[in-house]
Amino acid sequence: DQQVKQNSPSLSVQEGRISILNCDYTNSMFDYFLWYKKYPAEGPTFLISISSIKDKNEDGRFTVFLNKSAKHLSLHIVPSQPGDSAVYFCAATFTGNQFYFGTGTSLTVIP
Amino acid sequence: GAVVSQHPSRVICKSGTSVKIECRSLDFQATTMFWYRQFPKKSLMLMATSNEGSKATYEQGVEKDKFLINHASLTLSTLTVTSAHPEDSSFYICSARVPQAGDQETQYFGPGTRLLVL
Repeated sequence: DQQVKQNSPSLSVQEGRISILNCDYTNSMFDYFLWYKKYPAEGPTFLISISSIKDKNEDGRFTVFLNKSAKHLSLHIVPSQPGDSAVYFCAATFTGNQFYFGTGTSLTVIP
Repeated sequence: GAVVSQHPSRVICKSGTSVKIECRSLDFQATTMFWYRQFPKKSLMLMATSNEGSKATYEQGVEKDKFLINHASLTLSTLTVTSAHPEDSSFYICSARVPQAGDQETQYFGPGTRLLVL
């Protein structure tokens, strides 16, 4: 069964507003989480990550929040830009040798 | 939910040998599978697109004679690293695309295979 889930396959947001992408996981052993951004016909590009010892990590317009008790991860993009339109994957690992990916959320930022 | 498995999860081999990595879709049929290689900055480089029953489409810069891809059935794609060298040491991940309505793309990723070539 999927250990990492992204329940929203798509999301549309107005330019300048906040985009919130969500991710849920089932395995409490996961200790490192990543977000990837993917354009068509390209491989996923690493965006931001967070260790399980933290609950927030910020990098410019991108912030990842981790709620371990809820086994929930979210990516906030503020302000959203048209160039952010892509598919976003969350991933989790606990050994560094295996990664468990969500199925992706397609973000469309409307100018 | 759909699951993609990879085997083996880790492999260590000697330089010059060949290594086969399997990617299986466990409860669905995947006409299209992708092979990625992870680099130190964690991004995944798309190596090739594998279509069942036809030749794989390789990305620019990927040697097709070195990275042999076979998608013989709707549930199995294999990547064979031939004559492996230490610089081939990496993390290889496969994914399977599930057709969706419209332009939505849903990919199910395997857990990856870590290859170490000595």
